[in-house]
Amino acid sequence: QKEVEQDPGPLSVPEGAIVSLNCTYSNSAFQYFMWYRQYSRKGPELLMYTYSSGNKEDGRFTAQVDKSSKYISLFIRDSQPSDSATYLCAMVGNQFYFGTGTSLTVIP
Amino acid sequence: GAVVSQHPSRVICKSGTSVKIECRSLDFQATTMFWYRQFPKQSLMLMATSNEGSKATYEQGVEKDKFLINHASLTLSTLTVTSAHPEDSSFYICSARGFSTAAQETQYFGPGTRLLVL
Repeated sequence: QKEVEQDPGPLSVPEGAIVSLNCTYSNSAFQYFMWYRQYSRKGPELLMYTYSSGNKEDGRFTAQVDKSSKYISLFIRDSQPSDSATYLCAMVGNQFYFGTGTSLTVIP
Repeated sequence: GAVVSQHPSRVICKSGTSVKIECRSLDFQATTMFWYRQFPKQSLMLMATSNEGSKATYEQGVEKDKFLINHASLTLSTLTVTSAHPEDSSFYICSARGFSTAAQETQYFGPGTRLLVL
């Protein structure tokens, strides 16, 4: 079983939709959780990080962690074409583990 | 947030030549740096992990004699692709582990280097 599972998509949504991106994990020792955004031909950029269960908001983005279910989500409200990218989740225990990334396209 | 730079951003070379890619952490000290490889529309593939002052740890299937990694300081790591061949053409991304402004350890990525071997 992989440490981190992430649906690769691709996911296409109309502009303005709410997007939900998800990852599941198997290691209960993970302490920190992160989301990265990677545009085509660019390196990943850190979007959000959190270390506790619950929600964390930053503008149109909300990161949610449910440690009891070993499940994390990234919600994007009022999605924009500029949000089109690949989103990777990452988890930190004794080392970093990355999801494979979900490709998102927001259609104008 | 923390910044990681890579140089060059793009390189084209002839088959058989060697190419060096630099990765620098600009405003934090990175005791650990990582090198990834990414083919089009595929996920990041970890090649190796390097700690400052010690030998890099390579992932299974990655030739350490072909991909030379040097982590000479807390802010600089280099990847040298020796005797490059067309199949080495890829997007190489470095990453540095450090502490965010909130003193939480996280990992920052460089912008990537696109290598094309003719």
